[in-house]
Amino acid sequence: EVQLVESGGGLVQPGGSLRLSCAASGFTFSSHWMNWFRQAPGKGLEWVANINRDGGEKYYVNSVKGRFTISRDNAKNSLYLQMNSLRADDTAVYYCGGSRGLFWGQGTLVTVSS
Amino acid sequence: DVVLTQSPLSLPVTLGQPASISCTSSHSLVQSDGNTYLNWFHQRPGQSPRRLIYEVSNRDSGVPDRFSGSGSDTDFTLTISRAEAEDVGVYYCMQLTYWPHTFGQGTKLEIK
Repeated sequence: EVQLVESGGGLVQPGGSLRLSCAASGFTFSSHWMNWFRQAPGKGLEWVANINRDGGEKYYVNSVKGRFTISRDNAKNSLYLQMNSLRADDTAVYYCGGSRGLFWGQGTLVTVSS
Repeated sequence: DVVLTQSPLSLPVTLGQPASISCTSSHSLVQSDGNTYLNWFHQRPGQSPRRLIYEVSNRDSGVPDRFSGSGSDTDFTLTISRAEAEDVGVYYCMQLTYWPHTFGQGTKLEIK
């Protein structure tokens, strides 16, 4: 059974940092592009970033470029999102996802507020 | 960025009746490899999204055959042949042809 389990969310002040993690199991992690998505409270889905199989290619939505960094550790079957210079409009449930949206985690809530 | 426009945004349907959702793209979604990377997702309240359709018309494993996807280039449609109670929630189209990948605004389906 495919499982993606996000962790690392929480309450952070504007300008602060958080690192999200996603632990994958039940599929060959190293064979799949992986994504981060987010959903602000009561809003629609937004793609945030993705990374290719070996971590050599990374893409971001414009609003997080220069602030967020996606990475992966295939030996640990794990995906990460380092989030710096957080703003109130980054408040959302963050989901990790794989295989062009076939796999989704349950999400982790990030709240940016003073 | 590619803009995906869904319609309607709210869709009341009667049990057992058909329903369809349109997704129109600001750019052709045909990639240089000849494939069209347009997916459809369903999200029930309080749950993670679930992919229903990939590459316009391919149904994912376990998705009921009452769901179908069609379209090409810039115009796409998700059709439910006979709506059931479990189909309530929000439906999103998403394009993966270009970076940044983008979603439509979502269509909320409710049972009348």
